[in-house]
Amino acid sequence: GDSVTQMEGPVTLSEEAFLTINCTYTATGYPSLFWYVQYPGEGLQLLLKATKADDKGSNKGFEATYRKETTSFHLEKGSVQVSDSAVYFCALSERNFGNEKLTFGTGTRLTIIP
Amino acid sequence: NAGVTQTPKFQVLKTGQSMTLQCAQDMNHEYMSWYRQDPGMGLRLIHYSVGAGITDQGEVPNGYNVSRSTTEDFPLRLLSAAPSQTSVYFCASSSLSGYEAFFGQGTRLTVV
Repeated sequence: GDSVTQMEGPVTLSEEAFLTINCTYTATGYPSLFWYVQYPGEGLQLLLKATKADDKGSNKGFEATYRKETTSFHLEKGSVQVSDSAVYFCALSERNFGNEKLTFGTGTRLTIIP
Repeated sequence: NAGVTQTPKFQVLKTGQSMTLQCAQDMNHEYMSWYRQDPGMGLRLIHYSVGAGITDQGEVPNGYNVSRSTTEDFPLRLLSAAPSQTSVYFCASSSLSGYEAFFGQGTRLTVV
């Protein structure tokens, strides 16, 4: 079955540091890939997405590129801020639309210190 | 715009008790899902629905029932709560034509 393997946390960085959170996946078809973010006390919010190989998703300074050859979707940000502190989830869906069945990674807790 | 609303936000149950977690969405989304979030395990799919009257099992369905009588509502029922069901539960909805799943704020359930 489908699976997502995500970099273990927690991750602690200083403000303005470079961020990478690794994510690799296993899927039978050609999945869509997502990064969701969970701020304290809240539900998950979509951060960015990519629906086919070599697509780059981007939002709020975060980027991730769909790499079919390495089955990866690593999340990056050039300069993190305290407000980026949250839990980040990599996820996949076997379909492009109507994502009622998402497969999630275990989540990576990110803490940014001033 | 309320989005996805879950109630209650917190609940403590005794082993063997039953309860229903409520989920409602006002976006007219066809798809709705229930996930549980456990430390070190991410979110796992419990049940999902692709429309009113249609439900199916996810990865971890045992001990839970669902029904979908309207487009808006998708309640999750625990018939006889067990300590292993202590978790944070999230409801989500998505459109047939969209990429994004919208999540509620979650229900933190403790079974003692």
